[in-house]
Amino acid sequence: SQKIEQNSEALNIQEGKTATLTCNYTNYSPAYLQWYRQDPGRGPVFLLLIRENEKEKRKERLKVTFDTTLKQSLFHITASQPADSATYLCALGNSGTYKYIFGTGTRLKVLA
Amino acid sequence: DVKVTQSSRYLVKRTGEKVFLECVQDMDHENMFWYRQDPGLGLRLIYFSYDVKMKEKGDIPEGYSVSREKKERFSLILESASTNQTSMYLCASTPGQGRGAFFGQGTRLTVV
Repeated sequence: SQKIEQNSEALNIQEGKTATLTCNYTNYSPAYLQWYRQDPGRGPVFLLLIRENEKEKRKERLKVTFDTTLKQSLFHITASQPADSATYLCALGNSGTYKYIFGTGTRLKVLA
Repeated sequence: DVKVTQSSRYLVKRTGEKVFLECVQDMDHENMFWYRQDPGLGLRLIYFSYDVKMKEKGDIPEGYSVSREKKERFSLILESASTNQTSMYLCASTPGQGRGAFFGQGTRLTVV
């Protein structure tokens, strides 16, 4: 069955460092992959979408890579700030379907 | 900015009650979704709708129904609430396939 894996353990990093979060998937060939941010008790907020024919995408301090051979996406936050502390979700999608498959998320804590 | 508004942030209902969760989006999006989110399980799709009066079952539709009489409004109905339906419910909308989803703030439902 289709499976997405995100590191369930929290990631603690020092302010100013680059945070790297991982999303691995199996038994799926997504046409695109998305990253969302979720704060406690709130709905997810869409951050970035990367398509299967794109290797890398950037938005301000955020960078996403997508390796369809490794079946993996990496999500980077450069110059991290305490305000970046949140849970980050990845989601896979495909053409021909409206469904997204979400990972369980990785909690990031940026220490001042 | 796209806004997806859910009618309640918190709800407490009794077992056996019929429960209505309302969601409204203001950006003329075609697609709307209802998810539930539980610790360790991530977001699971209950139902989605790609047009007015059109609906499709997601991964966990049992015990739920939906209604989409107008493009901007998508309602989730718990026919007879049970304690295992205690969860965070999230509504989302997208303008089409391959686009990021916009989520509401969530409704924390407790069934006692």
